[in-house]
Amino acid sequence: SAVISQKPSRDICQRGTSLTIQCQVDSQVTMMFWYRQQPGQSLTLIATANQGSEATYESGFVIDKFPISRPNLTFSTLTVSNMSPEDSSIYLCSVTFTGAGQPQHFGDGTRLSIL
Amino acid sequence: SQELEQSPQSLIVQEGKNLTINCTSSKTLYGLYWYKQKYGEGLIFLMMLQKGGEEKSHEKITAKLDEKKQQSSLHITASQPSHAGIYLCGADSGSNYQLIWGAGTKLIIKP
Repeated sequence: SAVISQKPSRDICQRGTSLTIQCQVDSQVTMMFWYRQQPGQSLTLIATANQGSEATYESGFVIDKFPISRPNLTFSTLTVSNMSPEDSSIYLCSVTFTGAGQPQHFGDGTRLSIL
Repeated sequence: SQELEQSPQSLIVQEGKNLTINCTSSKTLYGLYWYKQKYGEGLIFLMMLQKGGEEKSHEKITAKLDEKKQQSSLHITASQPSHAGIYLCGADSGSNYQLIWGAGTKLIIKP
């Protein structure tokens, strides 16, 4: 298991601005993921954060809009850039340990509202 | 590509009653995970199933994976207000530890 601290827990931002969300894990993990969950919807994977290299983005998500950093095995950030009301969502960080049958463990999420 | 269908979409249950949530896959499941999410918060891992016919229990929650490994059920016995939330199933995609997610089941417990 892992303890995941995600900050901020919520924020209200003006359109056109950017916000950086932090994800800190209490142990070294191989895989870190960033998800978006729009109101009433399931999880959509934004990208896999790779340590020491660029993140791997899913279809529909680009680095210019959602730059990700992963400087070490315990920390990652997701920036939501040039925000619009459509970016209002919950953003979730998750981690998993390598090996078959390892579940993903989630942070408490960041609830983001764009005015 | 693999898809997970959860049913029902939402459920209102009288406190003390039993309930079942289902998760059906379009392909064979090689790892099926159940999570619970309270409103606006992160996901809490409940249980993981891998083998056909496998059944696991924790307190009043039992998860099963059918023999064909294409359907899983989550059963709650004698429901309590603390069981309220959104239940999601996730399946191993076979790619880079990523999971495919069901749409979720919203559970409301009536006192």
